[in-house]
Amino acid sequence: NAGVTQTPKFQVLKTGQSMTLQCAQDMNHEYMYWYRQDPGMGLRLIHYSVGAGITDQGEVPNGYNVSRSTTEDFPLRLLSAAPSQTSVYFCASRETSGREFFGPGTRLTVL
Amino acid sequence: AQSVSQHNHHVILSEAASLELGCNYSYGGTVNLFWYVQYPGQHLQLLLKYFSGDPLVKGIKGFEAEFIKSKFSFNLRKPSVQWSDTAEYFCAGYSGYSTLTFGKGTMLLVSP
Repeated sequence: NAGVTQTPKFQVLKTGQSMTLQCAQDMNHEYMYWYRQDPGMGLRLIHYSVGAGITDQGEVPNGYNVSRSTTEDFPLRLLSAAPSQTSVYFCASRETSGREFFGPGTRLTVL
Repeated sequence: AQSVSQHNHHVILSEAASLELGCNYSYGGTVNLFWYVQYPGQHLQLLLKYFSGDPLVKGIKGFEAEFIKSKFSFNLRKPSVQWSDTAEYFCAGYSGYSTLTFGKGTMLLVSP
């Protein structure tokens, strides 16, 4: 199993640009999550999904959209990037036992 | 609201010193608790987890944590730290079908 994969690893955007961060898992987990990690803030939940076709907002959803058309994929879209979205983004999936598996992260810089 | 708080933002220790990182949670009912470690430039790795049963949980790399329900605590311990333990440590938890909530992290620096 590849586990949770994320692409790209690094990205630089200009303010106002849009982009999609990709996340995929091959463990057939129903639950998937997007977090952002900022210094001194820990990880904060952006959006999550409890299964294909079902998504919900987390703690910091503004400026981000998600969709879950398949169990495997959970892309995160930035509609109009802002410098405040400069962060490290982690995707995760949760197995039925409750343990979460994290992807390697995407480091995003918005100029 | 559910929350997880970590007592220290930064901890500096010498090699061979003992480590205890504090974590408190605010959930009611059945709680699932985790400690994750993030080495510089890497993603999160699970150190240990508590779901039920023995409140003293042993994890990887010599770490352990004790769940004390009466104190709402889940402190991480290691008897003797090494330079390679330099990392950021995150406590996290959830209750029922809720989402995982993270503490703000504790940066541990171990000097050789």
